Amino acid sequence: RKEVEQDPGPFNVPEGATVAFNCTYSNSASQSFFWYRQDCRKEPKLLMSVYSSGNEDGRFTAQLNRASQYISLLIRDSKLSDSATYLCVVNTGNTGGFKTIFGAGTRLFVKA
Amino acid sequence: EAGVAQSPRYKIIEKRQSVAFWCNPISGHATLYWYQQILGQGPKLLIQFQNNGVVDDSQLPKDRFSAERLKGVDSTLKIQPAKLEDSAVYLCASSFRDSTDTQYFGPGTRLTVL
Repeated sequence: RKEVEQDPGPFNVPEGATVAFNCTYSNSASQSFFWYRQDCRKEPKLLMSVYSSGNEDGRFTAQLNRASQYISLLIRDSKLSDSATYLCVVNTGNTGGFKTIFGAGTRLFVKA
Repeated sequence: EAGVAQSPRYKIIEKRQSVAFWCNPISGHATLYWYQQILGQGPKLLIQFQNNGVVDDSQLPKDRFSAERLKGVDSTLKIQPAKLEDSAVYLCASSFRDSTDTQYFGPGTRLTVL
């Protein structure tokens, strides 16, 4: 089993749709979680951190479920500009050092 | 504020040749990362430095890859000798303290091994 797993998609949705991605992780000691966005042939950029209490930033909502060991990303009212690959990131470790693992990414295409 | 700088942006070499990549992180960032991203996959961490010490190099193929971060600032990643399967984008990133902070990525070096 991979340490971090994502549905590769692609997800093809019309503008205005709501879409959700999940990311599962295998190490129950994982401590911090992020969603990054990567446009085609570009570098990844932070979309949002994922907090235990969940967090929202405009049309984007991220949640963490420690019991089931997954994080989720919800995008409401999809825009054409949301088309990208969404990468989940899981960190495991302690103050002595953290191990960073990226998922393989989920591709999203938003169509007009 | 200047971002993470990498060079070269593109490199084409033949197998068994050597290649080196350079990265200059954001000023003041303690942690520097080198990732390998093969087409269609997520970035794979090769090595992580905190200042000039190695935090994690468990996925670095040490028989052919080496990296250093002299003086805790910029860093070089070397491959010697290169294999066909090393064709990938090599991304450098930096963060202020450690990987619980936001990682800022450079534009990457696209390596093609023929």
